[in-house]
Amino acid sequence: DVKVTQSSRYLVKRTGEKVFLECVQDMDHENMFWYRQDPGLGLRLIYFSYDVKMKEKGDIPEGYSVSREKKERFSLILESASTNQTSMYLCASSVTAKLFFGSGTQLSVL
Amino acid sequence: KNEVEQSPQNLTAQEGEFITINCSYSVGISALHWLQQHPGGGIVSLFMLSSGKKKHGRLIATINIQEKHSSLHITASHPRDSAVYICAVSGGSNYKLTFGKGTLLTVNP
Repeated sequence: DVKVTQSSRYLVKRTGEKVFLECVQDMDHENMFWYRQDPGLGLRLIYFSYDVKMKEKGDIPEGYSVSREKKERFSLILESASTNQTSMYLCASSVTAKLFFGSGTQLSVL
Repeated sequence: KNEVEQSPQNLTAQEGEFITINCSYSVGISALHWLQQHPGGGIVSLFMLSSGKKKHGRLIATINIQEKHSSLHITASHPRDSAVYICAVSGGSNYKLTFGKGTLLTVNP
């Protein structure tokens, strides 16, 4: 089975901190995605990557950046965390358009 | 941009009932996905379909391309089916999805 692993299940950070969310997949997928999920808004795409060092902005990239130095790892970076970035963050990888999700990181920014 | 609408937003059923969740989209697509999310859990892909009908156990997904509409059916519902069901559509070659807001299903024993 494909495994997509997110480094933390719960994370609490302070306003202004730099935050790293890590995601690793074990199936050599080329496409990887970062989403945030908020009540009433559903899943929204932050960034996605279609190859090592390649990235494309999603629908809500402001306040975020990403890094993909190795095929299996896709990192989401909050340069200066703000309270409106409190959310559930979900990583996914895909092959032939079928998505495989990680279990999510619930981030609280205080 | 594709708009994806799901109905109902919330659904409560008794164990054993037949369940239908609907999804409509506004622009032509290459594939439609049905996803399941249990409370506090990750998201699991149930179906990916571009035409016709697919069945897996008690779950059936159908799609009507002309009407831009899909349905997810659950036969003989069970409390363990309680979850959020999410419809998503993809188009083009980059596999980016547009998601509906989800349907919260609660099945009571």
